[in-house]
Amino acid sequence: AQKITQTQPGMFVQEKEAVTLDCTYDTSDQSYGLFWYKQPSSGEMIFLIYQGSYDEQNATEGRYSLNFQKARKSANLVISASQLGDSAMYFCAMRLLYGNNRLAFGKGNQVVVIP
Amino acid sequence: DTGVSQDPRHKITKRGQNVTFRCDPISEHNRLYWYRQTLGQGPEFLTYFQNEAQLEKSRLLSDRFSAERPKGSFSTLEIQRTEQGDSAMYLCASSPTLAGGLGDTQYFGPGTRLTVL
Repeated sequence: AQKITQTQPGMFVQEKEAVTLDCTYDTSDQSYGLFWYKQPSSGEMIFLIYQGSYDEQNATEGRYSLNFQKARKSANLVISASQLGDSAMYFCAMRLLYGNNRLAFGKGNQVVVIP
Repeated sequence: DTGVSQDPRHKITKRGQNVTFRCDPISEHNRLYWYRQTLGQGPEFLTYFQNEAQLEKSRLLSDRFSAERPKGSFSTLEIQRTEQGDSAMYLCASSPTLAGGLGDTQYFGPGTRLTVL
């Protein structure tokens, strides 16, 4: 079974600064995908970025980038130039290519951006 | 291009009552998922449909829970004889089926927040 670990306490970050959110995962499968979602206080889960286990390049989407270290089984999210609207919970998730279609989520990281 | 929609957004019910939630996926997405999220936790998988077929069910989905997706379009999640432990956010997601599989990003709706008194 997949396991996602997000253990950082709530984080405060200054507006326009960068922030890194840690995510480690555990699986014996070689084929998997890693996802990051943002959940503001309204509750909706917003897809941010995806990294496939065979992708050689780290994924980037605008101000979001994923620092993928396969040997360490880590998939940290970097948000550059933080904005007030980035204040939210951030969830790391994994899906296996074979076996099932479910996303396994971590417990999330709370980010508060201060002006 | 509308996203995933869920109805109602909030539901308050008394213990023992039945409740039903509806999810409308992104049009042409043939996969639909239900998750449950309790306070301070990440979402947990409940069940998954491909078109009208329910292909996976979590052991979290007790006999009091039933989900349907008639005609492979919208889906309903019913909880019978609700208990206080059922209080949670119920999230629906949909995804297309792409070649390769790994890139099947799941797009979530706004959720239905259930409170059982």
